[in-house]
Amino acid sequence: NAGVTQTPKFRVLKTGQSMTLLCAQDMNHEYMYWYRQDPGMGLRLIHYSVGEGTTAKGEVPDGYNVSRLNKREFSLRLESAAPSQTSVYFCASRSPGEVGELFFGEGSRLTVL
Amino acid sequence: GQNIDQPTEMTATEGAIVQINCTYQTSGFNGLFWYQQHAGEAPTFLSYNVLDGLEEKGRFSSFLSRSKGYSYLLLKELQMKDSASYLCAVMDSNYQLIWGAGTKLIIKP
Repeated sequence: NAGVTQTPKFRVLKTGQSMTLLCAQDMNHEYMYWYRQDPGMGLRLIHYSVGEGTTAKGEVPDGYNVSRLNKREFSLRLESAAPSQTSVYFCASRSPGEVGELFFGEGSRLTVL
Repeated sequence: GQNIDQPTEMTATEGAIVQINCTYQTSGFNGLFWYQQHAGEAPTFLSYNVLDGLEEKGRFSSFLSRSKGYSYLLLKELQMKDSASYLCAVMDSNYQLIWGAGTKLIIKP
């Protein structure tokens, strides 16, 4: 059981380059999320999706676009990378029900030079 | 604004007990979560509290007081593998999670 998988795990970009982070979950979850994690700060929500074909902005959406390709896959795209986007990015899906436990991917460490 | 506060770092001894506190101010409350995150890895779910009181799960317990905006995570019989960051998160009135910055727990032999 793979859970949540995201690729790539590491990437170095130059300012202005674009890239897409891919996330897939095999737990049939409706809700999926993209977070960024920076030192000394809590996880910050970038965008999220409550189901196939839907997306919504989170706390820090600027500079990022997302696409919920189907129920399994949720991608995050940086159109023109900036050094401020250097971070560790986590994709997560949420189990249904009251508790709504989050299941995270292993993370993608992105450096923008 | 919404705010979650927890200590940045704590140190404890193997075999001992440690309590990690979390205080919060959020727009509404729909539950409080604790996650564990080992260095370089993804967070994993530890506990969920929505009613006041203590929830026990093996060596880990989590307490909630909604009137005080306060929670703690209690870890007993500490093991070296418990060295990790512990993240407190509150689900607000919009069912969005607000995350604390995490408490790095260092276990010494």
